[in-house]
Amino acid sequence: KAGVTQTPRYLIKTRGQQVTLSCSPISGHRSVSWYQQTPGQGLQFLFEYFSETQRNKGNFPGRFSGRQFSNSRSEMNVSTLELGDSALYLCASSFDRGGGNTIYFGEGSWLTVV
Amino acid sequence: QQQVKQSPQSLIVQKGGISIINCAYENTAFDYFPWYQQFPGKGPALLIAIRPDVSEKKEGRFTISFNKSAKQFSLHIMDSQPGDSATYFCAASTETGNQFYFGTGTSLTVIP
Repeated sequence: KAGVTQTPRYLIKTRGQQVTLSCSPISGHRSVSWYQQTPGQGLQFLFEYFSETQRNKGNFPGRFSGRQFSNSRSEMNVSTLELGDSALYLCASSFDRGGGNTIYFGEGSWLTVV
Repeated sequence: QQQVKQSPQSLIVQKGGISIINCAYENTAFDYFPWYQQFPGKGPALLIAIRPDVSEKKEGRFTISFNKSAKQFSLHIMDSQPGDSATYFCAASTETGNQFYFGTGTSLTVIP
């Protein structure tokens, strides 16, 4: 069974631009969550979608947004990029939601803001 | 505010030795505690997980010890191998969703 697929794997953007990252969950998984990973802060939760609805949101500014489509694929968008947005963005999927569900991570999208 | 605190930040162990990584939490609503292993260039992968109704869980060379009263849990890697060299993250979540709170990670190096 194919794992979580994230595209693009690497990208460089200029401060002030916006970026869209894509995530295809494991087949049959309905929950998709996004995390930002940086050396200083570790993995920080951005948001979670389940059946096209955002269920949880972390403490990130409104410049970070996401959505989920009917086929469970998800996208996240960051507008007005700042240098501090440079990070590895990880998507994770799980079959269901609720505590105790194993989440499976993709390999991430490396974003560099210059 | 870091909801899950992890130590040490880095760890060097001889091959065959025991690697121990510790985590502590404050939120008593947490009821699921997984450990993830991450190799460079890869996403984190689930290693082992435990619920608070169990004090210990073992899978192969990996063991989680859980102390509910102290709100602490730890990962023990027995007979550590060079292939175990990776970054390890502890995490915690509640019953209400898939929001996981991660520790800051431990970089483990196993010397041959």
